Amino acid sequence: EVQLEESGGGLVQPGGSLRLSCAASGFTFSEYLMRWVRQVPGMGPMWVSSITEDGSKTTYADSVKGRFTISRDNAKNTLHLQMNSLRAEDTAVYYCARVAADGTRGLDIWGRGTVVTVSS
Amino acid sequence: DIQMTQSPSSLSASVGDRVTITCRASQTVASYLSWYQQEPGKAPKLLISDASKLRSGVPSRFSGSRSGTDFTLTISSLQPEDFATYYCEQSYSTPLTFGGGTKLEI
Repeated sequence: EVQLEESGGGLVQPGGSLRLSCAASGFTFSEYLMRWVRQVPGMGPMWVSSITEDGSKTTYADSVKGRFTISRDNAKNTLHLQMNSLRAEDTAVYYCARVAADGTRGLDIWGRGTVVTVSS
Repeated sequence: DIQMTQSPSSLSASVGDRVTITCRASQTVASYLSWYQQEPGKAPKLLISDASKLRSGVPSRFSGSRSGTDFTLTISSLQPEDFATYYCEQSYSTPLTFGGGTKLEI
């Protein structure tokens, strides 16, 4: 079964750090572009970051640029999001998602999400 | 940044109704427009990509279309499991952006 599973969320104080992970299974992870998307409950999703298949190119939303780092380990079928200098406004459910391989760029597989709460 | 204006924000309908949801892009996104369905407490589910390409396993009552920078999602005959929130997303250029959502209620 094609699956993504996030982990690493939790409660952290403002200014703190968290590292999210996303374990992929059931498909050839190294062949897919991947993204992180977050969502505040009751609001629409927001794109956070993307990474190419080989990890050579990364892009970020302005609101997280310089604080978050996306990476991947294709040998371990794992995607990461290192989040530093966390702010209250980073509180959200964080999803990893796979970009469809057919060129349409839709997000065809999503994890269940991991909750990040930034609060003192 | 490309703004995606989605309307209506909420919609009341009945089983069997035909409903249309619209997304307007502030500039061209070509056909890099996807539609997602989200049920409470779950991740979004991809319904349509490339503006009109129905994803595998998605019922044929869902359809998408494009006219310039205007995109529509149509559900031809609502079923009970269709009552959810729907989002559009442009993936033409970064930052990738989503519409504000349409909550479809009974």
